[in-house]
Amino acid sequence: QKEVEQDPGPLSVPEGAIVSLNCTYSNSAFQYFMWYRQYSRKGPELLMYTYSSGNKEDGRFTAQVDKSSKYISLFIRDSQPSDSATYLCAMQPSNTGNQFYFGTGTSLTVIP
Amino acid sequence: GAVVSQHPSRVICKSGTSVKIECRSLDFQATTMFWYRQFPKKSLMLMATSNEGSKATYEQGVEKDKFLINHASLTLSTLTVTSAHPEDSSFYICSARGQYTEAFFGQGTRLTVV
Repeated sequence: QKEVEQDPGPLSVPEGAIVSLNCTYSNSAFQYFMWYRQYSRKGPELLMYTYSSGNKEDGRFTAQVDKSSKYISLFIRDSQPSDSATYLCAMQPSNTGNQFYFGTGTSLTVIP
Repeated sequence: GAVVSQHPSRVICKSGTSVKIECRSLDFQATTMFWYRQFPKKSLMLMATSNEGSKATYEQGVEKDKFLINHASLTLSTLTVTSAHPEDSSFYICSARGQYTEAFFGQGTRLTVV
């Protein structure tokens, strides 16, 4: 079983829709959770960084962590065509360690 | 967010030659740098991790003599693909982090070996 599971999609939604992206994981030691956005032929860009369970909101983006279910989500409200990209989740057991565990990424297309 | 600059963004080289890719942290001290390889529509594959002033730690299956990593300062790491072959063509991405920070990625380098 992979450490981090992420549905690769592709996911297509109309502009303005609410998008829900998800990852599940198996290692209960993970404490730090990240979401990255990667445009085609570019490096990943950090979107959200959260610690432990709970919600974190930044503009149209909300990151949600449910450690009891080993499940994290990224919600995008009022999705825009510019949100079309691949979204990668990542996680770590410790913020001082160097082990990052990445999902495979979900490809999202927002249709105007 | 912090800025990591990777150069060049795109390089084409002849088979048998070597290519050097630079990764710089512009506004923080990168105690650790990571080098990844990414195949089309696939996630990031960690190649190696390097701490400033130390030898890089390579992941299983990654040839350290082929992919030379140097992390000589807190702001610069280089990846040299030696004697490149067409199968080395890929998208290479560096990532850097400070001691207690999250990781930030460079823009990536598209390497094509002809």
